[in-house]
Amino acid sequence: EAGVAQSPRYKIIEKRQSVAFWCNPISGHATLYWYQQILGQGPKLLIQFQNNGVVDDSQLPKDRFSAERLKGVDSTLKIQPAKLEDSAVYLCASSFLGQGHLYEQYFGPGTRLTVT
Amino acid sequence: GENVEQHPSTLSVQEGDSAVIKCTYSDSASNYFPWYKQELGKRPQLIIDIRSNVGEKKDQRIAVTLNKTAKHFSLHITETQPEDSAVYFCAASTAAGNKLTFGGGTRVLVKP
Repeated sequence: EAGVAQSPRYKIIEKRQSVAFWCNPISGHATLYWYQQILGQGPKLLIQFQNNGVVDDSQLPKDRFSAERLKGVDSTLKIQPAKLEDSAVYLCASSFLGQGHLYEQYFGPGTRLTVT
Repeated sequence: GENVEQHPSTLSVQEGDSAVIKCTYSDSASNYFPWYKQELGKRPQLIIDIRSNVGEKKDQRIAVTLNKTAKHFSLHITETQPEDSAVYFCAASTAAGNKLTFGGGTRVLVKP
């Protein structure tokens, strides 16, 4: 089966600019996750969708980050305006189901964001 | 919320020796504990996982043990090979959310 797709793979922007990342999960996977991985740290969950609804966005900095999954398939994560501390790899993951079920999460290749 | 601590942060072993990585978690409701391997510049990939109704699980040279009473779990790699060099992350989640909380990672270097 095809894996989780993400684009772009790399992005360099200046602080205060905006940026958007795209993710297409594995076909049939109802749950989609966005993680932020700062260099040298483990991934941190930003937001979790089940189909087109938000399950958990408790760690999403909502003053500057937003995410949507309008049709319950692909998703976009946006940062506006970016700060230097947003430099990280943004990983998208998907799983067959989510709440109430324990299913493996499959990760995409990530988008490496550098904010200068 | 859940907090996962992972030790050591770096581990250097001689090829053929064993490597052990330990994690502790805080939420007693956690019942799923996966381990991911991440090579430089690559995506995290699941290498083994364990659920709370099992105390130990093996897959060839890799094994994971879980002590729910003490709230800790460990990854054991035997007969290490250079291709085992990578960063390993433990994680914990509950079925209620299927939300993974990751440890800080262990950089493993296997010296030939």
